[in-house]
Amino acid sequence: QQQVKQSPQSLIVQKGGISIINCAYENTAFDYFPWYQQFPGKGPALLIAIRPDVSEKKEGRFTISFNKSAKQFSLHIMDSQPGDSATYFCAASKHGYALNFGKGTSLLVTP
Amino acid sequence: KAGVTQTPRYLIKTRGQQVTLSCSPISGHRSVSWYQQTPGQGLQFLFEYFSETQRNKGNFPGRFSGRQFSNSRSEMNVSTLELGDSALYLCASSSAGTGGYEQYFGPGTRLTVT
Repeated sequence: QQQVKQSPQSLIVQKGGISIINCAYENTAFDYFPWYQQFPGKGPALLIAIRPDVSEKKEGRFTISFNKSAKQFSLHIMDSQPGDSATYFCAASKHGYALNFGKGTSLLVTP
Repeated sequence: KAGVTQTPRYLIKTRGQQVTLSCSPISGHRSVSWYQQTPGQGLQFLFEYFSETQRNKGNFPGRFSGRQFSNSRSEMNVSTLELGDSALYLCASSSAGTGGYEQYFGPGTRLTVT
């Protein structure tokens, strides 16, 4: 069964706007939540990750918000750029092993 | 540091054959994980090796197997290939087990089964 649910499946944002992707998980044993970015023909690239002892982590234009009680976390991309157009995957795991991935969100940033 | 490398990048096999894929992790990383990526099922965990031992295994049939060598390089093998095995096979390396959680992916091997 799908342990991590991701939405939306696709997203179109104007340049300069905020892209928001949401994920929800079931297993309360998960303690590591990374986000990956994948371009066509490439492997997923680690963007940013969070552990449940903090509610937010920011790296440049990328921010993860984490709600432990709701078992949800989200990725915010501020000032979205056409170069951000890619597929984004959230994941969850226990101690970094055996990542459980969401189904992915295809992001298109229009000029 | 050089990233994760995978060979070959592309492979075409016939149903019933077997295939071996190779992965070289980032220098110093002792954990190697394998994932299968398909349009329908997304990214699914196959197995993870640490210090030549399989430490975790996903929900895949026994036709999928792997091993890790003393230099941390890893291979995965798929026997009796089926059409549904067509996928992008990704290898990820990590320092997990020695303090690190982050997994870094290679470019993948695109396997097509005809």
